[in-house]
Amino acid sequence: EVQLVESGGGLVQPGGSLRLSCAASGFTFSSYWMSWVRQAPGKGLEWVANIKQDGSEKYYVDSVKGRFTISRDNAKNSLYLQMNSLRAEDTAVYYCARHSSGWSYRPFDYWGQGTLVTVSS
Amino acid sequence: EIVLTQSPGTLSLSPGERATLSCRASQSVSSSYLAWYQQKPGQAPRLLIYGASSRATGIPDRFSGSGSGTDFTLTISRLEPEDFAVYYCQQYGRFKTFGGGTKVEIK
Repeated sequence: EVQLVESGGGLVQPGGSLRLSCAASGFTFSSYWMSWVRQAPGKGLEWVANIKQDGSEKYYVDSVKGRFTISRDNAKNSLYLQMNSLRAEDTAVYYCARHSSGWSYRPFDYWGQGTLVTVSS
Repeated sequence: EIVLTQSPGTLSLSPGERATLSCRASQSVSSSYLAWYQQKPGQAPRLLIYGASSRATGIPDRFSGSGSGTDFTLTISRLEPEDFAVYYCQQYGRFKTFGGGTKVEIK
């Protein structure tokens, strides 16, 4: 059974940093593109970033470029999101999601349960 | 960036009725890289439709997708009680974007 379990969320002050993790199981993690998607409270979905199987390609939404870094460790079946210079508008539930095949141009067929990040003083 | 606009914002219908949801793109969506997701409160989204019209694994055939270019539609032929939720369209080109969502509520 495919499982994605996020962790690392919490309360952080504006300007602070946080590192999210996503532990994957039930599939060959190293064969899939992976993404982070966020959802502000009561709002819609926003794609944040994605990463190729070997980490050689990474793409970001403009609003997080230069502040967030996506990475992965295939030996540990884990996906990460390092978030720096956090702003109030980064407050959201962050989901990790799997692309449905070994290509970036694919929808997300599995999602984690999400981890809440709150940026507030 | 491709902007997706969903309409209506809220759809009030009764069980058994037909639901028609619209998703309009600001520019043509390449090769129908268009998906639909369902999200219920407190849950992660679930993939319903990809490639504009292909149902994902395990999705009932009352869900159907159509469209191409800039205009796409999700149709639920007969609403079941479990179908009342928020629906999002997504284009999954290089930089992915989601629509703002349509809430299907019980009338």
